[in-house]
Amino acid sequence: DTAVSQTPKYLVTQMGNDKSIKCEQNLGHDTMYWYKQDSKKFLKIMFSYNNKELIINETVPNRFSPKSPDKAHLNLHINSLELGDSAVYFCASSQEVPGLASYEQYFGPGTRLTVT
Amino acid sequence: LAKTTQPISMDSYEGQEVNITCSHNNIATNDYITWYQQFPSQGPRFIIQGYKTKVTNEVASLFIPADRKSSTLSLPRVSLSDTAVYYCLVGDVFNRDDKIIFGKGTRLHILP
Repeated sequence: DTAVSQTPKYLVTQMGNDKSIKCEQNLGHDTMYWYKQDSKKFLKIMFSYNNKELIINETVPNRFSPKSPDKAHLNLHINSLELGDSAVYFCASSQEVPGLASYEQYFGPGTRLTVT
Repeated sequence: LAKTTQPISMDSYEGQEVNITCSHNNIATNDYITWYQQFPSQGPRFIIQGYKTKVTNEVASLFIPADRKSSTLSLPRVSLSDTAVYYCLVGDVFNRDDKIIFGKGTRLHILP
């Protein structure tokens, strides 16, 4: 069983299009995240959802919007795609443990988005 | 977010023990230290986490001195498949003032 899954694995699209990336986790975690890994290989957090509440929202363009239909899913919608959006997008999940301050997260396999 | 500093790259040979040290001088009292491994075209994989002294699991050991201003990830008897990027993170994922950013990590290259 895959703990954190993403679809699609590859996504090639043209500028101006709207696309979505889906993420599902079967770990029972209460928080999910979206990261962007750019060409320089830096992983930066974009969003996180805890019990359907957006708790971290980095300074990403409002063309990006996370949607969480339930605790096990966090989808990423991107409107009016631009060339600079080309990157690998990773979904992740974690479970809060009271009193434990850590970064233990479980990542999906990534979605390589190419905007032409 | 506690800033971390790691070597950019390291080379080693199969069968050797590899130690990667991470500096985190401004670690906070409640912060845990977490290490990830990332292979090309894959998401980061959680390896090990610790708060103080020594933690060991089936993959690695983590050594943390008493002042907790650094930590060392130890990989015993590495193989070619351990070639990857290793990231050290310090802090609380639920601290809403933090910006969770994986730095450049340490690119470990295992040679035959």
